[in-house]
Amino acid sequence: GAGVSQTPSNKVTEKGKYVELRCDPISGHTALYWYRQSLGQGPEFLIYFQGTGAADDSGLPNDRFFAVRPEGSVSTLKIQRTERGDSAVYLCASSPAGGPYETQYFGPGTRLLVL
Amino acid sequence: AQKITQTQPGMFVQEKEAVTLDCTYDTSDPSYGLFWYKQPSSGEMIFLIYQGSYDQQNATEGRYSLNFQKARKSANLVISASQLGDSAMYFCAMGLNTDKLIFGTGTRLQVFP
Repeated sequence: GAGVSQTPSNKVTEKGKYVELRCDPISGHTALYWYRQSLGQGPEFLIYFQGTGAADDSGLPNDRFFAVRPEGSVSTLKIQRTERGDSAVYLCASSPAGGPYETQYFGPGTRLLVL
Repeated sequence: AQKITQTQPGMFVQEKEAVTLDCTYDTSDPSYGLFWYKQPSSGEMIFLIYQGSYDQQNATEGRYSLNFQKARKSANLVISASQLGDSAMYFCAMGLNTDKLIFGTGTRLQVFP
């Protein structure tokens, strides 16, 4: 596909469970970002990958959150021991090479609901 | 502090009229980028327009233009000839050397016939 894709589009889980959210960036884009958007707010940065490595993970709220990008393409955001406060839309974005002047292209998001 | 402020929670505009959505930013970095995104009810963030801090001219993309006033630290989005399909949330964002985007809280635009 031409754009960023994310799966699943919706995820409902119970408090304490483990979830994985997947992001498939635009082909050839080396930079990949994860953001979290709570209801009524703008997206908030979680983590940035340049290739396979996490260049900036300063936005991850705590050690229950982890993300990987083992082959420099698809990324998985992993949340352990989910809490109700983790309910949000998780957005993934990619850009050709990264940097403040490059447009980030977003996927449709995964809506996570923790019961 | 690095921050984006959007002071208009909601705006209304009649079809075919122009509308301005306000955005002010705060940063001490000399180099930054300013972006506007549209988020319809489907949830996807759609890129609209970009302005670099060193750009001399205001950016334009079709019906979208960015009124960049560096001294005032404002980057307002102007939508001309509004269409019903323009109804959505609009977010202003700033890109810095840290690569991440900092977003405002958004403005909900409603276009009525």
